[in-house]
Amino acid sequence: NAGVTQTPKFQVLKTGQSMTLQCAQDMNHEYMSWYRQDPGMGLRLIHYSVGAGITDQGEVPNGYNVSRSTTEDFPLRLLSAAPSQTSVYFCASSYGGWRGYTFGSGTRLTVV
Amino acid sequence: KNEVEQSPQNLTAQEGEFITINCSYSVGISALHWLQQHPGGGIVSLFMLSSGKKKHGRLIATINIQEKHSSLHITASHPRDSAVYICAVLHFGNEKLTFGTGTRLTIIP
Repeated sequence: NAGVTQTPKFQVLKTGQSMTLQCAQDMNHEYMSWYRQDPGMGLRLIHYSVGAGITDQGEVPNGYNVSRSTTEDFPLRLLSAAPSQTSVYFCASSYGGWRGYTFGSGTRLTVV
Repeated sequence: KNEVEQSPQNLTAQEGEFITINCSYSVGISALHWLQQHPGGGIVSLFMLSSGKKKHGRLIATINIQEKHSSLHITASHPRDSAVYICAVLHFGNEKLTFGTGTRLTIIP
């Protein structure tokens, strides 16, 4: 089925470890973005991309890196995990914000 | 002050009641989105509005650009409507979304 695929669904990391959250879409969407969702707060934008080779920072980019080598994939890298990065992460894609968004199913990350 | 404010934060109602969830924003926008997040965590896009009103089944969304306010209405509410409803605004001139904190709706049979 067409959509946004996020992996893994759950992950536990130790402080200082690194990892990559994967996001792939098969809808040929130009726009892709990563958000984190924390209790009592709205989703917050981490990084976004308006096309292959183009990325930019969102509201809370520190501690995260992204790249967009293809239209389909937009991985999020945690460089050195910290407990403050414990959160639920969502990837989303769109033809453009005025066309609506498709969200992945989320990754629940715990950093101990 | 948050750029996007939703009210109420929590809402419990009996099955069949008419539901209204409000969203106010303070920035210039090109579009407003209503999203639904079920207890399992998945997020689904319900509506995208830039003006006026949209209807899909028992859901109706309205927006007043001059007053910077949007409402989501649910008619004949049902327990399966229980979810968190999230308002998000697309900033004018870029592709950034700012989200409200959500309204947790519980419909009791």
